[in-house]
Amino acid sequence: SQQGEEDPQALSIQEGENATMNCSYKTSINNLQWYRQNSGRGLVHLILIRSNEREKHSGRLRVTLDTSKKSSSLLITASRAADTASYFCATDAVSNSGYALNFGKGTSLLVTP
Amino acid sequence: DTGVSQDPRHKITKRGQNVTFRCDPISEHNRLYWYRQTLGQGPEFLTYFQNEAQLEKSRLLSDRFSAERPKGSFSTLEIQRTEQGDSAMYLCASSLANRPQETQYFGPGTRLLVL
Repeated sequence: SQQGEEDPQALSIQEGENATMNCSYKTSINNLQWYRQNSGRGLVHLILIRSNEREKHSGRLRVTLDTSKKSSSLLITASRAADTASYFCATDAVSNSGYALNFGKGTSLLVTP
Repeated sequence: DTGVSQDPRHKITKRGQNVTFRCDPISEHNRLYWYRQTLGQGPEFLTYFQNEAQLEKSRLLSDRFSAERPKGSFSTLEIQRTEQGDSAMYLCASSLANRPQETQYFGPGTRLLVL
């Protein structure tokens, strides 16, 4: 079963606008990661935020984490057509004996020129 | 750093046939993972190795599935007696175990279609 749940399922914006997607999860985590997947391809790691961190930046990406609400958000600023992809949050649960990542169903982002 | 590679990228097979996929992780990575992704879903964990030891298996991994990592480097995933429900993208990832925050790096995937 998938722990994460991204919201919205689909998002359509114009170039230059900001895109915000949210992720909720169910159990306590060690880390939360965001990945991007272009159509039919493998996943590209974007950013990792640890459970004791609240906010992290990487280029045009900003991730927040609220462990009390079990939620995270990914903000992409000044979006580009090349940002069109599916975005997944992935968590590794504290209860895991190993390091398997639990993914949500993803947010499909379309950036139009 | 050549990244994680997977072979083949695409596989079409008939129901009942056996298929084998290969994954070559990033060279210094000692952890290797297999995931399965169906259309419109996120990846689902199948199994993982630390070096050559298979340490965890998902309940998704039926007895028709077997994975190996014989020398702690590349890994193979075999599906016996394939079924149409096995049609999916099979993703491999690797990571370095001695980091406190562990990023998994994914390969391009093998897309399987069972007719």
